[in-house]
Amino acid sequence: ETGVTQTPRHLVMGMTNKKSLKCEQHLGHNAMYWYKQSAKKPLELMFVYSLEERVENNSVPSRFSPECPNSSHLFLHLHTLQPEDSALYLCASRPGQGSYGYTFGSGTRLTVV
Amino acid sequence: AQSVAQPEDQVNVAEGNPLTVKCTYSVSGNPYLFWYVQYPNRGLQFLLKYITGDNLVKGSYGFEAEFNKSQTSFHLKKPSALVSDSALYFCAVRGGGSYIPTFGRGTSLIVHP
Repeated sequence: ETGVTQTPRHLVMGMTNKKSLKCEQHLGHNAMYWYKQSAKKPLELMFVYSLEERVENNSVPSRFSPECPNSSHLFLHLHTLQPEDSALYLCASRPGQGSYGYTFGSGTRLTVV
Repeated sequence: AQSVAQPEDQVNVAEGNPLTVKCTYSVSGNPYLFWYVQYPNRGLQFLLKYITGDNLVKGSYGFEAEFNKSQTSFHLKKPSALVSDSALYFCAVRGGGSYIPTFGRGTSLIVHP
């Protein structure tokens, strides 16, 4: 275990469903991220929650909606997804200013049918 | 803008032989460079980083990487490969102005017994 926990590990959902992915870290980190991993493509940064940076990723469709209620929890709400949204969704966290490395969760394997 | 290129989708090496996984980068200013490894059904694990100092950086599991500023490269190396090193390897870079790295698309390392 890395200290970043993602649930569920696997999710199959229909295109009309609404579901949420959860990420939790108790490492005392101050920044959390959602990444999308598709085969043979670079990791795609979707959302950032950090006191130090604001990233507007306008390429992420509105059917993905993040929520960060506190510094330990991060959610990704999903609705009316498309089959091309099937991928591994990774959560990562990072300590505060001056640190460099990310700690990743094991990911949620999402399949949209 | 910052970018990373991992020119090989797959690297095959025999157990006991040296291995190299290639990475080149483009970034404004001084680069911060990282290697991560991903085992099946897992998130990414941090291997090593270059921030400043010696061009040869040593990391986890016997891996090392050499920073070459003139060639803008940061190749991952190991003197003697193990079957258990078989995994997906990601190179990442960020410039000094952001805490958010850009990842490559990954290189699959296969070590044959």
